[in-house]
Amino acid sequence: SSELTQAPVVSVALGQTVRITCQGDSLRKYYATWYQQKPGQAPALVIYDKNNRPSGIPDRFSGSSSGNTASLTITGAQAEDEADYYCKSRDDSGDPWVFGGGTKLTVL
Amino acid sequence: QVQLVQSGAEVKKPGASVKVSCKASGYSFISHHMHWVRQAPGQGLEWVAIINPPTTNTAYAQKLQGRVTITSDTSTNTVYMELRSLRPEDTAVYYCARDVSANDLSWWFDPWGQGTLVTVSS
Repeated sequence: SSELTQAPVVSVALGQTVRITCQGDSLRKYYATWYQQKPGQAPALVIYDKNNRPSGIPDRFSGSSSGNTASLTITGAQAEDEADYYCKSRDDSGDPWVFGGGTKLTVL
Repeated sequence: QVQLVQSGAEVKKPGASVKVSCKASGYSFISHHMHWVRQAPGQGLEWVAIINPPTTNTAYAQKLQGRVTITSDTSTNTVYMELRSLRPEDTAVYYCARDVSANDLSWWFDPWGQGTLVTVSS
């Protein structure tokens, strides 16, 4: 089955820009979706359909993709952005949907 | 507003079964597939299953095939997930999430239910 690979931990200084990446073969064909999960809460959608934000998600969040890598960029990270971030993609082998292992973002 | 409300926490013994419900409101229930995703304590997200409510067509994670069944009731706008032959490693928060798609390249889950903790312990 396919996998999506994320760095387990990423840190960023307050107000700086951070990129969280997600690698996998399925990303060559399908767009990644990104979810934010804060402690004790359900995941919440932050980026969908390549680079769209649901209402209520600040425009400092953006998505991009190249080859087998999708990226979530936070431009000017805020303390409230500290959370776990998961990428997800459709997949043609194994299970039809697959999640990355998640990235814990720490804002210093 | 679109909302998914799940049933409460469950504690089960190994070998037992559990059935979790997810009641949808605020949108056309038959117009969207519904997913189940689980998260073991301190772990990441794992896709479990999907159902198309009006047709009841389903697909399941290979890992859980044969032990999990997803059903829907269009009269109450509710989706159910039943997991049988429970094992301690099934201990997790189980989430339902509405499927949204704009094309054949992109699907997203929004919103998510609040989650249901299923604990399997002797």
